[in-house]
Amino acid sequence: DGGITQSPKYLFRKEGQNVTLSCEQNLNHDAMYWYRQDPGQGLRLIYYSQIVNDFQKGDIAEGYSVSREKKESFPLTVTSAQKNPTAFYLCASSRTGPSYGYTFGSGTRLTVV
Amino acid sequence: AQSVTQLDSQVPVFEEAPVELRCNYSSSVSVYLFWYVQYPNQGLQLLLKYLSGSTLVESINGFEAEFNKSQTSFHLRKPSVHISDTAEYFCAVSETIKAAGNKLTFGGGTRVLVKP
Repeated sequence: DGGITQSPKYLFRKEGQNVTLSCEQNLNHDAMYWYRQDPGQGLRLIYYSQIVNDFQKGDIAEGYSVSREKKESFPLTVTSAQKNPTAFYLCASSRTGPSYGYTFGSGTRLTVV
Repeated sequence: AQSVTQLDSQVPVFEEAPVELRCNYSSSVSVYLFWYVQYPNQGLQLLLKYLSGSTLVESINGFEAEFNKSQTSFHLRKPSVHISDTAEYFCAVSETIKAAGNKLTFGGGTRVLVKP
């Protein structure tokens, strides 16, 4: 079955360490997205990519980095510059065009101690 | 630019009672409308969407939403909720023009707590 896989589901890191969250899709979608979710704050867009080797900053890109070397993969690195990295991170993908909506992964909960 | 407002951040409701989740949007062009559901510690799942045609759309698990263009609303309803409907619900909108690309704008979410 096609879908989006985020791994790991839970991740613990010490403060000051960089950490990379994985997102892989086998839906043949062109566009991919990363969102951050905090309690009571809805979804906030971190980065998005509409095509391989190209990506754009979202609303809260500071302290994060991404790459899009393959259509299927869009990893997110949370760097030590991110002041409050503990959150639930969601990856999504979509076909080209506004009528399709997004398909989401099951999320990664990152806890920095 | 489009925006989405979900008027209630939390909605407590008793089991078997009806529920309505309100969603209003703002856009200068025609839009497509979506409702997503998020169960605890999971990703978002598409519940239903309005693209065109009948303004009333239904999901397979008893939810329905009605598109009201004059009021720029897309409220979600269920006549009788179950404990398993406890979740957070997100309304989202995308503009139909090509220049908008795939951009989906989400509301802030409504948390539904179904009580026995």
